[in-house]
Amino acid sequence: NAGVTQTPKFQVLKTGQSMTLQCAQDMNHEYMSWYRQDPGMGLRLIHYSVGAGITDQGEVPNGYNVSRSTTEDFPLRLLSAAPSQTSVYFCASSRQGAGIGELFFGEGSRLTVL
Amino acid sequence: AQSVAQPEDQVNVAEGNPLTVKCTYSVSGNPYLFWYVQYPNRGLQFLLKYITGDNLVKGSYGFEAEFNKSQTSFHLKKPSALVSDSALYFCAVRASQAGTALIFGKGTTLSVSS
Repeated sequence: NAGVTQTPKFQVLKTGQSMTLQCAQDMNHEYMSWYRQDPGMGLRLIHYSVGAGITDQGEVPNGYNVSRSTTEDFPLRLLSAAPSQTSVYFCASSRQGAGIGELFFGEGSRLTVL
Repeated sequence: AQSVAQPEDQVNVAEGNPLTVKCTYSVSGNPYLFWYVQYPNRGLQFLLKYITGDNLVKGSYGFEAEFNKSQTSFHLKKPSALVSDSALYFCAVRASQAGTALIFGKGTTLSVSS
């Protein structure tokens, strides 16, 4: 079982470039989410989805877009990268939702914006 | 607003000694509380949760947590620490009744020396 798979693991961008972080899960989870992890700040929720076709904003959504066309995939798009978006990004999924059941995390994507 | 606090950035213990990683919370309504662990360069892994029931919750890898309503605390404990327990530990609380997000603490680094 692959669980939650994130690609790429590492990425370097220049300010203003765009890119997509991919996330796929094979557990048939309805709930998926994106967090960013910054030193001393814990994890902060960017966007989440409770099912295909349904997305919503988290705590820090600015500068990021998401879509959920299938149950399996939940890509995160950076339209115009900024140095403040340098971070480690984690995708997570759950069968029951974030505040009830266990969250399964991917290995992370480390993004550097120059 | 829901929040969690981890008052210690780092906890140092010797192998074989008991360990405690502290967490306090502030919520409206019933608290749904979680502990996650992150090993270097990995995603977070679920350890345990408290939703209702016994105040002492048992989880993975020999960890347990004690829910204390009067002190609004949810401390993580283990009777005998292992060097392999060295990692970053996060306490988290459900953000709302909808269960669509977790709010994470800033994390506590546990270092177990041999």
